[in-house]
Amino acid sequence: KNQVEQSPQSLIILEGKNCTLQCNYTVSPFSNLRWYKQDTGRGPVSLTIMTFSENTKSNGRYTATLDADTKQSSLHITASQLSDSASYICVVSDRGSTLGRLYFGRGTQLTVWP
Amino acid sequence: EADIYQTPRYLVIGTGKKITLECSQTMGHDKMYWYQQDPGMELHLIHYSYGVNSTEKGDLSSESTVSRIRTEHFPLTLESARPSHTSQYLCASSVNTGTSGVLTDTQYFGPGTRLTVL
Repeated sequence: KNQVEQSPQSLIILEGKNCTLQCNYTVSPFSNLRWYKQDTGRGPVSLTIMTFSENTKSNGRYTATLDADTKQSSLHITASQLSDSASYICVVSDRGSTLGRLYFGRGTQLTVWP
Repeated sequence: EADIYQTPRYLVIGTGKKITLECSQTMGHDKMYWYQQDPGMELHLIHYSYGVNSTEKGDLSSESTVSRIRTEHFPLTLESARPSHTSQYLCASSVNTGTSGVLTDTQYFGPGTRLTVL
């Protein structure tokens, strides 16, 4: 069964600290993996996308890694800011159709405290 | 910031009412989607469209219907709302982009409509 599991479910950190969010998937075949940021009451916004051949991708203070062999990805946030408080969603796409079906994780709810 | 809009942002209605959630995008994307999301849960695809006059049901069974008469417009309709329809509804559109030589589908999401059926 194609699944995307994220951990932790929620995380609280102090402003300025670093954190790492995890994503494990069983989706096969695999096309790409995205990390989205979803602010409360808003739609998700894409942070990074990685294909099979990519191991790491950065977007400012966000760095995503991908291990396609173990089917694991992580999102590392450096020097957290209050505005980083949001849900971070891992999304995996397969190659099974022209639509490139998406499998969504439940997200990690990150709260950054001052 | 993606040019995709949803109205209304919040809606509280009584059981049995007919409602239409609006979604428009000005990016000229052929593909559009409707997702349903409950708090703390993953997004579930309920409808999608490849282009004008093309609509398909998604993974999650839904009593809603959609139409695609114009490229930029993808409304979702509930003929008779029930409390079980209470949820957040997210609209998205997508375009193919290339990354590392691979063509992928980049989805852009609207802000969502928070629906509460009493």
